[in-house]
Amino acid sequence: DAGVIQSPRHEVTEMGQEVTLRCKPISGHDYLFWYRQTMMRGLELLIYFNNNVPIDDSGMPEDRFSAKMPNASFSTLKIQPSEPRDSAVYFCASSLGTGGAAELFFGEGSRLTVL
Amino acid sequence: GQSLEQPSEVTAVEGAIVQINCTYQTSGFYGLSWYQQHDGGAPTFLSYNALDGLEETGRFSSFLSRSDSYGYLLLQELQMKDSASYFCAVDSSASKIIFGSGTRLSIRP
Repeated sequence: DAGVIQSPRHEVTEMGQEVTLRCKPISGHDYLFWYRQTMMRGLELLIYFNNNVPIDDSGMPEDRFSAKMPNASFSTLKIQPSEPRDSAVYFCASSLGTGGAAELFFGEGSRLTVL
Repeated sequence: GQSLEQPSEVTAVEGAIVQINCTYQTSGFYGLSWYQQHDGGAPTFLSYNALDGLEETGRFSSFLSRSDSYGYLLLQELQMKDSASYFCAVDSSASKIIFGSGTRLSIRP
């Protein structure tokens, strides 16, 4: 398996533009997570899905952020409009089963810079 | 609220042993995981403890005390390649995995 695949790896955009980050989880994994990493705030859980259904989106910072999982092999995280404070590395991770024993497999991340 | 506390930085000597502590305060608890992240890379899973006690995997061991809301990661026979950030993470409820702020481990020759 190719692992969790994220795109784009790097994105530079201007404030006010829409940003869409994409994720393909490992085939057969039923949990998908979106995290954001910054120096100041560390690894923050934004939202996670189980069997394509959002379970907890309490970490989504505000209405400018939205995430979807239309099928088991694809998820998007959208920011509209983007702001400089959204600059971060966004990680997607997937896992099989429930609980921490189900190892999270992370993608390589999407580094977003909003000017 | 939920919080995980771990030291921000630790320095050790190659070949030595280092312990990275993690204390947590969460509304629920199913288990404690540890992840390693090299600069510019993605976090990778190291270990998981659901029950009290020590789990050993090669040079790395992880310990949990549920009554003390405390765990640690023990790295033995340190190698230069172990220089990385280490994160503890709590499964607080049905797979909601919350990460600590990370400990940056620097290893000197």
